[in-house]
Amino acid sequence: NAGVTQTPKFRILKIGQSMTLQCAQDMNHNYMYWYRQDPGMGLKLIYYSVGAGITDKGEVPNGYNVSRSTTEDFPLRLELAAPSQTSVYFCASSLAERNEKLFFGSGTQLSVL
Amino acid sequence: QKEVEQNSGPLSVPEGAIASLNCTYSDRGSQSFFWYRQYSGKSPELIMFIYSNGDKEDGRFTAQLNKASQYVSLLIRDSQPSDSATYLCAVNPWAPGGTSYGKLTFGQGTILTVHP
Repeated sequence: NAGVTQTPKFRILKIGQSMTLQCAQDMNHNYMYWYRQDPGMGLKLIYYSVGAGITDKGEVPNGYNVSRSTTEDFPLRLELAAPSQTSVYFCASSLAERNEKLFFGSGTQLSVL
Repeated sequence: QKEVEQNSGPLSVPEGAIASLNCTYSDRGSQSFFWYRQYSGKSPELIMFIYSNGDKEDGRFTAQLNKASQYVSLLIRDSQPSDSATYLCAVNPWAPGGTSYGKLTFGQGTILTVHP
């Protein structure tokens, strides 16, 4: 049972480049989330999904896009990368609304130079 | 803007002592409260959750909630060096219709160091 799998673990982008952060979970969770964590800060919600085909913005969605074509996958797309997007990105999933437990992926360290 | 604030830290305690971590939140309608532990370079992991006023104990950990004061705390008894980590307070806020879809608001974290 792999849980939540994120790829890549590290990436360096040049300003203006684009990339997709992959996230997959094998726990049949309906709820999935993308958070970013800046140094010394807590996690801020970028986008979330409550099921296949349903996504919505979180607190800091600008510069990002998501899709949820299957229950398992929730990729995060960065368009026109900017230095402000340098951060650690965590994908998470939970079984239900009252998420006693968020299952996190191992994170992606992204640097935009 | 719904906010969650944690005591700034870093917090340093000797091995065997009680570590006390504090968190306040601005949304009075918040429904559930969580403590996540995050080791350096790792992802957060849930260690405690609490829904009702009062104390909830799990092993060496006790979560305390006071909704009137909008305050939640985490006590770690008999602190061990392996407890050294960043502790994140997270809140599931109130939302119209009664569901927030599990969109947690996190505090900035408190770094705890337990020294031998």
